[in-house]
Order: sequence, then C-alpha cells, then structure tokens
Amino acid sequence: SQQGEEDPQALSIQEGENATMNCSYKTSINNLQWYRQNSGRGLVHLILIRSNEREKHSGRLRVTLDTSKKSSSLLITASRAADTASYFCATDDLFSGGYNKLIFGAGTRLAVHP
Amino acid sequence: NAGVTQTPKFQVLKTGQSMTLQCAQDMNHEYMSWYRQDPGMGLRLIHYSVGAGITDQGEVPNGYNVSRSTTEDFPLRLLSAAPSQTSVYFCASSYNNMAQYFGPGTRLLVL
Repeated sequence: SQQGEEDPQALSIQEGENATMNCSYKTSINNLQWYRQNSGRGLVHLILIRSNEREKHSGRLRVTLDTSKKSSSLLITASRAADTASYFCATDDLFSGGYNKLIFGAGTRLAVHP
Repeated sequence: NAGVTQTPKFQVLKTGQSMTLQCAQDMNHEYMSWYRQDPGMGLRLIHYSVGAGITDQGEVPNGYNVSRSTTEDFPLRLLSAAPSQTSVYFCASSYNNMAQYFGPGTRLLVL
C-alpha cells in the first residue's frame, strides 16, 4: 500500500521558474524524505525532515512539513534543465520498530525546458 | 568508494527459471534493502536486513529470498521467475537507518 502520494503527477516548467511538488501521507511518521531519480538511474537522497520540524532548506531546495495535514511540499527554486527528473517522497511508520521501512509515493515527473 | 553496486544491469528470464541479483556496498552500512519499481508506481520494499545474519520481509516478499552473510553483500534470489516479477530492482543501503543510498538498478524481463 502506498503511504505517500505526490501531486502533481507531472510538471512542466521553464528554466528559472520555481517548481513545487506536494506529498500527502496517511499515518503518523518519524520523518519524511525526498528523493530524485534521473531517467534510468537509482534514487538519490535529497533531504530529510523530521516530524518535529516544519521547514528545512538545502541549497535551492525548500521542504515544508505539516503533520496536522499529513502533507509535505518540495520547492525547487530557480530551476535548471538538470533538475529534470522524477521526485519521490518517502515516509516511514512511527511504529515501524527497529527498521525504518520507507513507503514511497508514485512520484512527480518534472520537466524543465531551456 | 564505489557505493552500492548491482549486477547484472539487465536480465531476461523465462518463466520458471531462477536467478540471483547481486548487490554489494563498500560503505560499511548495516542496513540494506531491496525494492522493486513498476511503471507509474513508487518503490516497494521486498526484503531488508539490519545487519549480517539478520533479514526480514518487506511489503512484497513472495517469490523472493535473501541472505546476508557479510556486511557488504545482500543478494536477492528469484526462486521461480514469473512474468509478474518483470520490474526494475533496486538495492539500497543506509548508515543510520535514515537516508538510503541506492544502486543503479537491475532491469528484469520475465517472458
């Protein structure tokens, strides 16, 4: 079963514009992560936000978390063609015990046009 | 460091055949896991390991076996391949049970 669901499924923008992707989840979590996947490649970890954090920045990335709404957003500012990829959110289960089982959403496909 | 490596990159099997997907990491990570990715879907956890000698089932374990005899290696075995196992398989490792490092994937086609 999928816990995280990204919205939109696909996003097409011009270089220099900002890209915002949203993720909703269903159960209580310890943390939420965002990953990027370039076509034909493995996933690359971008950022992790803990359940007691509301906002986190990393370079051109800004992630917010609203645990009351069970949602997160990923903002990429001043996008570049190299940002073209699929972006996935992944959540764990607050009660997962000793192993942090991640549940991935279906992803948002971002296309940045020069 | 090579990070997480997977072999083969691509494999074609006939229904009923068995094979082993190899995964190795050189980062001394205790946590390792196998996922499958199907079109239009996120990754689904097949099996995972929290250390050498310790494995457990994930979300979709049926038809797959794993073992973890060393910290570095975590092979995934398909016992009797079925067309439903056509997918892209990713191995991942983690140092602190948080951010995961993924391999490049193995594309499997079962005819």
